[in-house]
Amino acid sequence: KAGVTQTPRYLIKTRGQQVTLSCSPISGHRSVSWYQQTPGQGLQFLFEYFSETQRNKGNFPGRFSGRQFSNSRSEMNVSTLELGDSALYLCASSLKRTSGVKQFFGPGTRLTVL
Amino acid sequence: GQQLNQSPQSMFIQEGEDVSMNCTSSSIFNTWLWYKQDPGEGPVLLIALYKAGELTSNGRLTAQFGITRKDSFLNISASIPSDVGIYFCAGLKETSGSRLTFGEGTQLTVNP
Repeated sequence: KAGVTQTPRYLIKTRGQQVTLSCSPISGHRSVSWYQQTPGQGLQFLFEYFSETQRNKGNFPGRFSGRQFSNSRSEMNVSTLELGDSALYLCASSLKRTSGVKQFFGPGTRLTVL
Repeated sequence: GQQLNQSPQSMFIQEGEDVSMNCTSSSIFNTWLWYKQDPGEGPVLLIALYKAGELTSNGRLTAQFGITRKDSFLNISASIPSDVGIYFCAGLKETSGSRLTFGEGTQLTVNP
């Protein structure tokens, strides 16, 4: 099976712009989560989507939003970019089996805000 | 913010040595996951633990789910240069869907 894919891998934007990142989960996985990784804050949970519904949301401002499509692919959007939004954005897809949950990460999108 | 305390923050070891790292929390988790991340890449799942006291191995890696459900440990035996990277623990609570809480990471350096 193909792993989690994220596009684009690298992105450079300027303050005030908006950006959309895309994630395709592992085939058959219906849960997609997004995380922000920065040197100072580490890995922080943004939100989780399951069957096109937001199931969980982290402590981020409303400028960060997401959605999930019927094929489980997900997008996240950041509006009015700030310098502090520069980070590695990671998408993860999850599969829940009888034994428990496993979460697999994509390679990430490196966003640089100038 | 993060709720998991991971230690040590960094380790410098010689090839062939064993490595131990751990994660502790003030709250209970029902799943512990251990990941390794290489520069510029996403974390790769190493081991998943689901029951208190569970001990699971993956090659030279062994991880344990603490009895109190508030901690977990990862051991790497006979380290090799490709073990270099950042190791993260992550906990999942029963009521949190797929929301993982991460430790700060352990940066491992292996000298040949």
